[in-house]
Amino acid sequence: DAKTTQPPSMDCAEGRAANLPCNHSTISGNEYVYWYRQIHSQGPQYIIHGLKNNETNEMASLIITEDRKSSTLILPHATLRDTAVYYCIVRPDTGTASKLTFGTGTRLQVTL
Amino acid sequence: GAVVSQHPSWVICKSGTSVKIECRSLDFQATTMFWYRQFPKQSLMLMATSNEGSKATYEQGVEKDKFLINHASLTLSTLTVTSAHPEDSSFYICSARDLGAPLIFGPGTRLTVL
Repeated sequence: DAKTTQPPSMDCAEGRAANLPCNHSTISGNEYVYWYRQIHSQGPQYIIHGLKNNETNEMASLIITEDRKSSTLILPHATLRDTAVYYCIVRPDTGTASKLTFGTGTRLQVTL
Repeated sequence: GAVVSQHPSWVICKSGTSVKIECRSLDFQATTMFWYRQFPKQSLMLMATSNEGSKATYEQGVEKDKFLINHASLTLSTLTVTSAHPEDSSFYICSARDLGAPLIFGPGTRLTVL
């Protein structure tokens, strides 16, 4: 699986957009970009994933650069409950046996 | 939507005893489940892949005789920590995936070995 690089921590004011970057310069053509988050003492929560087009759901937006070497997760209006560690993971979609390998992620702190 | 549950959510045991953790897929069948371990302030580390009806596949460095995995049905995988010691104290998390859906995770089980 391609390696990802994320900043270790970020701060964001409540109500503002949180933009979390991820570099994945060695991504292969068949690898998707997945984003998960882990709130303290809970299991990781799926947020969004994409291959090359930008994606949006009720939780966030995912912007993938045209060369696919980096991406940005956008939380449009961050709240205190969005404080968590955010993980960017790239891997091929090989069905139900496809496992995920977690890096160190970005610790997002949302403040008043 | 698909949900993965774990039981118990936390457990405290004495050193030398064995502890069983259950992972269930609710509303979907999972031929494959994954077990992760997370130490404080660290990321999740994959321990093993649980396969229904066959032997589990363990990651390098994980002792298969210490962490017994049984995937006896399409909705249940169990992880038994045998002869637990304080260094096995950790947060254990399982995950599974329904067809066409992303991998989802259980709420985790916090094990404390005294």
